[in-house]
Parts: sequence; structure tokens; C-alpha cells
Amino acid sequence: SQTIHQWPATLVQPVGSPLSLECTVEGTSNPNLYWYRQAAGRGLQLLFYSVGIGQISSEVPQNLSASRPQDRQFILSSKKLLLSDSGFYLCAWRDKWGGEQFFGPGTRLTVL
Amino acid sequence: AQSVSQHNHHVILSEAASLELGCNYSYGGTVNLFWYVQYPGQHLQLLLKYFSGDPLVKGIKGFEAEFIKSKFSFNLRKPSVQWSDTAEYFCAVTLAGNNRKLIWGLGTSLAVNP
Repeated sequence: SQTIHQWPATLVQPVGSPLSLECTVEGTSNPNLYWYRQAAGRGLQLLFYSVGIGQISSEVPQNLSASRPQDRQFILSSKKLLLSDSGFYLCAWRDKWGGEQFFGPGTRLTVL
Repeated sequence: AQSVSQHNHHVILSEAASLELGCNYSYGGTVNLFWYVQYPGQHLQLLLKYFSGDPLVKGIKGFEAEFIKSKFSFNLRKPSVQWSDTAEYFCAVTLAGNNRKLIWGLGTSLAVNP
């Protein structure tokens, strides 16, 4: 069966520090991968998605970037965090032919 | 722009009450529709989905949703809620055939009092 992992689960970082959040998927090949940010009362905001290694689509201009160095690995990064980057970050995957997305447990990021 | 609207932001019910959460979307073409649920401290998970066929779809834990194309709606229902249904519920839509991205509603927070 397929599983999706995210780490770390929680992170507290100072303003201006770098960020690297990792997401890995097991049990499937060549999935579509997604990064979302979830804010209370504001739903899920799609940040990036990827349909293959090295292919990244950005949905919202921001202080973040994403990379997909391997088929089942998706990384969310920032060179310098802002206070407004605080939030709950979710990774998701989907088969090429399936419609539903499957979500990881999320990372709670607090920027101080 | 395409959008998904969930009419109820916060709902409070007593156990055994009936539930209906509204969801409307603004796409003009053929759509795939989803309801997701996020229980406190747990992953976001799929409740049910509609791709085609019978517009009344049944999901896990006694939930169902009806797709009404003429109303651009996909309302979620449960005849009798339980305390364990306390969670946040999200409606999401994607264009059929272009299903790389989901468009999400803002969510409805449901609290069920025992």
C-alpha cells in the first residue's frame, strides 16, 4: 500500500533562516506531487505541484521554492524565511490516472 | 476564475441531528468532485468522490453527497451525526480530464456536542 511521509512534524525557525521540508511517497511510481499551505479559515492554498522529476509548477509567487530531485521525493525550501511563512504545510500525491489526492500528516512551521 | 464556495463556516450540532453542508462551484465544464475530512490531529482524508454515474454518492462513515449539475452543487449529508464526526470538512473540485489541480473550498468546521 502507498504511504506518504513528511518531516519534520513541527519546526520553529527564526526570521531570515533557511527552510527545507521533505515529503516522500512509498508504494507508487511517477506520482503527481503537491505542496499546500493550510491556514485556519482559509482552506488549502496550492503552492507547487510536480508531474515528474525536475518539473515544478508554481501557483503563487512567494518566498518559497520546490524541487523534485527523485521520483518520490518533493522538497519545499526557502532561502530566508519571513514571519508570513508560518503555517501548516501539507504534501499530497496522486496517481496519473486517479482523481483523488492523498495527504501527508503535515508540518507545522512557526517563524519567530 | 473558478472557485468553490462552502456556505457554512462553523456548524454546531447535537448528536443524532441531521447534517447538510453546502458546496457550490463555478466551473462550467465537466467536473470531478470531492469531500475531504480532517479529524483533530489527523491527516486530511477522502470522504467521498464523484466522477460520473449516479449523482448520489456514498462515502465512509455514513456520509453521502448529491451532485446537482443544474445547481452546480455537491452538498454533503449525514442523517444522524455522532460526536466522532467533529472535524473540518472540505469540498474540492477539479475539471475532468485536467485533474492535476484541485480547487478547494475554505472548509466547514463541525462541532458535535454529545
